[in-house]
Amino acid sequence: KQEVTQIPAALSVPEGENLVLNCSFTDSAIYNLQWFRQDPGKGLTSLLLIQSSQREQTSGRLNASLDKSSGRSTLYIAASQPGDSATYLCAASGNTPLVFGKGTRLSVIA
Amino acid sequence: NAGVTQTPKFQVLKTGQSMTLQCAQDMNHEYMSWYRQDPGMGLRLIHYSVGAGITDQGEVPNGYNVSRSTTEDFPLRLLSAAPSQTSVYFCASSRRTGGSYEQYFGPGTRLTVT
Repeated sequence: KQEVTQIPAALSVPEGENLVLNCSFTDSAIYNLQWFRQDPGKGLTSLLLIQSSQREQTSGRLNASLDKSSGRSTLYIAASQPGDSATYLCAASGNTPLVFGKGTRLSVIA
Repeated sequence: NAGVTQTPKFQVLKTGQSMTLQCAQDMNHEYMSWYRQDPGMGLRLIHYSVGAGITDQGEVPNGYNVSRSTTEDFPLRLLSAAPSQTSVYFCASSRRTGGSYEQYFGPGTRLTVT
């Protein structure tokens, strides 16, 4: 059974800092790994999707990497801003439907 | 495109009542799913559908029923509401991107059962 873990559960950084969010999964037979952002009381917004054949995807200040052999993905946020404050979730899709981690709650302090 | 829409946004039920949460998408996605989100538990899959007429159970299906008569709609029915079903419910639809599915989520329905 696929299990997805995100560490840390919460992170607080000063504005302008570069940061990395971690996601690990137990079953490497995944089709893709998707990163989402969730603001308080809101739905999920898709940030990046990495297919199993890819190693990374970039969108603006965000870069997500995927290492299937080690069961890890990272989300790199460059030059963080207070507007980046949210909960970030990763989810793995494989032979079973999407399995989510519990998220990392990020606070960027001005 | 409206994307994935959910109604209602908020709902309060008494124990034992039944209701249907509505979900619709206008992107012609074949895959749709329902999740519930609870503090400390993350998002858990309730039911999913890979196309009209086909549904399957997820991780926490008990107390919920679904059907998929059209590509666009995927309603979730609570048969007899219980306080344990107090949660935020998200509907999602997926399109195929290469060899995988990219999920798009609705805004959620916040349900309280008293």
